[in-house]
Amino acid sequence: QSVLTQPPSVSGAPGQTVTISCTGSSSNIGTAYHVHWYQHLPGTAPKLLIYRNTKRPSGVPDRFSASRSGTSASLAIAGLQADDEAYYYCQSYDTSLSGSGVFGGGTKVTVL
Amino acid sequence: EVQLVQSGAEVKKPGESLKISCKGSGYTFSTYWIGWVRQMSGKGLEWMGIIYPGDSDTRYSPSFQGQVTISVDKSIDTAYLQWSSLKASDTAMYYCARGYCSGGVCYRTDAFDIWGQGTMVTVAS
Repeated sequence: QSVLTQPPSVSGAPGQTVTISCTGSSSNIGTAYHVHWYQHLPGTAPKLLIYRNTKRPSGVPDRFSASRSGTSASLAIAGLQADDEAYYYCQSYDTSLSGSGVFGGGTKVTVL
Repeated sequence: EVQLVQSGAEVKKPGESLKISCKGSGYTFSTYWIGWVRQMSGKGLEWMGIIYPGDSDTRYSPSFQGQVTISVDKSIDTAYLQWSSLKASDTAMYYCARGYCSGGVCYRTDAFDIWGQGTMVTVAS
């Protein structure tokens, strides 16, 4: 059971917007620790999508955006494309785990 | 090009020891945190631990403390993940990843911006 809770799957048609939630607690997202998001296609290395809650690394399209409020965070993918089909993970750190990192359980995005 | 290159796949028997590696290039290895992440078959990513090559400051997830050892040899820009006695449940893909830095400031709790290609470890009798 992951400390950060994500829906197992979300789906959308091409062009639509999907949102992935990441629910934590007062010992992780509810602290000053940032939330980061990764995209992972099976058989490849995970890719950083969003860092420090809302920032996009160079090369990541602005279709990907994220927000954070209280003990939750979310990732939005606008203008869904076929190659967005992948697993998405949120990540933060947790004071109750001696400050170690934690990942969400992952969300499979399916493009219908 | 900034990259992390991991050692190749391993097949081991229960009880054997193993050390896998992660070599950095294209950047100043000693000034960026390096983390290790596990992915068991069909499961999600798990944060195992992190090390700062500059001074070998190492932190472990409680789930992995005592189960693995993370180390580094900064003279050859390489981080390691090792087991003293493998179990079948250690079968997984293991990734190393570099901690993000901004303006020369590198927080232990920042994102992982560069990832290795992964090392598949299979433990079976």
